[in-house]
Amino acid sequence: EVRLVESGGGLVQPGGSLRLSCAASGFTFSSYWMTWVRQAPGKGLEWVANIMQDGSESYYVDSVKGRFTISRDNAQKSLHLQMNSLRAEDTAVYYCARLAWSNGWIFDYWGQGTVVTVSS
Amino acid sequence: EVVLTQSPGTLSLSPGERATLSCRASQSVNGGYLAWFQQKPGQAPRLLIYGASIRATGIPDRFSGSGSGTDFTLTINRLEPEDFAVYYCQQCSISPWTFGQGTKVEIK
Repeated sequence: EVRLVESGGGLVQPGGSLRLSCAASGFTFSSYWMTWVRQAPGKGLEWVANIMQDGSESYYVDSVKGRFTISRDNAQKSLHLQMNSLRAEDTAVYYCARLAWSNGWIFDYWGQGTVVTVSS
Repeated sequence: EVVLTQSPGTLSLSPGERATLSCRASQSVNGGYLAWFQQKPGQAPRLLIYGASIRATGIPDRFSGSGSGTDFTLTINRLEPEDFAVYYCQQCSISPWTFGQGTKVEIK
């Protein structure tokens, strides 16, 4: 069974940092692109970042470029999101998801999410 | 950026009725890169449809997707009580990948 479990969320002051993690199990982690998606309170979904299987390529939405870094540890089957210079607008539930390819990208499995609150 | 506009914002229907949800893109999207998700309160999104019309594993056949270019549709035939939720379309054709704002299907 594919399982993704996020952790690391919490309350942080504006300008602070937080590192999210996503523990993967039930599939060959090193064979898949992975992604982070967030959802602000009461709002819709926003794609945040992607990372290639070996970590050599990554992509970000403009609003987090230069502040967030996606990374992975294939030996530990874990995905990370280092978030620096946090702003109030980064407050959201952060989901990790697996990306599969079938004539197009598929967000086929999601974690339950971890809550990040940026507030003084 | 591709803006996905979903309509209506809210759909009030009774169990057993058909729901028709629209997703319109601001520019043409490769249909192979258009997906639909269902989200219930307090839960993660669940993949329903990918490639515009392919049902994900375990998704009942009352869910169907169609469309191409800039206009896509999710149809739910014979609504079941568990289908009342928020539905999002999403495109992975052009970066940044974007989601629609969602359509809430509520019990009438």
